[in-house]
Amino acid sequence: QQQVKQSPQSLIVQKGGISIINCAYENTAFDYFPWYQQFPGKGPALLIAIRPDVSEKKEGRFTISFNKSAKQFSLHIMDSQPGDSATYFCAASISGNTPLVFGKGTRLSVIA
Amino acid sequence: DADVTQTPRNRITKTGKRIMLECSQTKGHDRMYWYRQDPGLGLRLIYYSFDVKDINKGEISDGYSVSRQAQAKFSLSLESAIPNQTALYFCATSDPRRGNTEAFFGQGTRLTVV
Repeated sequence: QQQVKQSPQSLIVQKGGISIINCAYENTAFDYFPWYQQFPGKGPALLIAIRPDVSEKKEGRFTISFNKSAKQFSLHIMDSQPGDSATYFCAASISGNTPLVFGKGTRLSVIA
Repeated sequence: DADVTQTPRNRITKTGKRIMLECSQTKGHDRMYWYRQDPGLGLRLIYYSFDVKDINKGEISDGYSVSRQAQAKFSLSLESAIPNQTALYFCATSDPRRGNTEAFFGQGTRLTVV
């Protein structure tokens, strides 16, 4: 059973547009939800993370929206740039103390 | 120098061979992890270790074993490699004690089993 479901698998966005990636989770004990960004040939790196005590967290052009009742969270990339082209993974854990469980990833391409 | 170093970066091996992937870290973290990445399947946990004396199986441990030689070193072995173990392997570290839940990944080892 997949604990974290991520969609879409791939996404093409025009430069300046908004990229939206969605994730849903099953385990209600999860309380830490990070997003990781991976460029080709590199390991994933933390982009932004949220805990369920807030419904939204913003860092620059990147925003996480969190819906606890629906058990869903999403990443929004505003003013998407070609340099944002990468694979994005959502993840979840319990208090950051259990190993991260990852979604299957979304390959984002931002075209000029 | 990278904080989490994986060796080798690329490896081609034959079916049935034993192979070891190595990971070392200079971050001083107690927790270390091995993940496997396959296209369309994301990152799946193979094994993890919360300290030198602690080893735990992950989601897909069959066909793999690990050794935690020291706080800084965590090795992944394939006792008898098979073609469906062809994948990109990542080592990661974390240290939640310091209030930082971030996981730090190495650059990966691309393994091909022929």
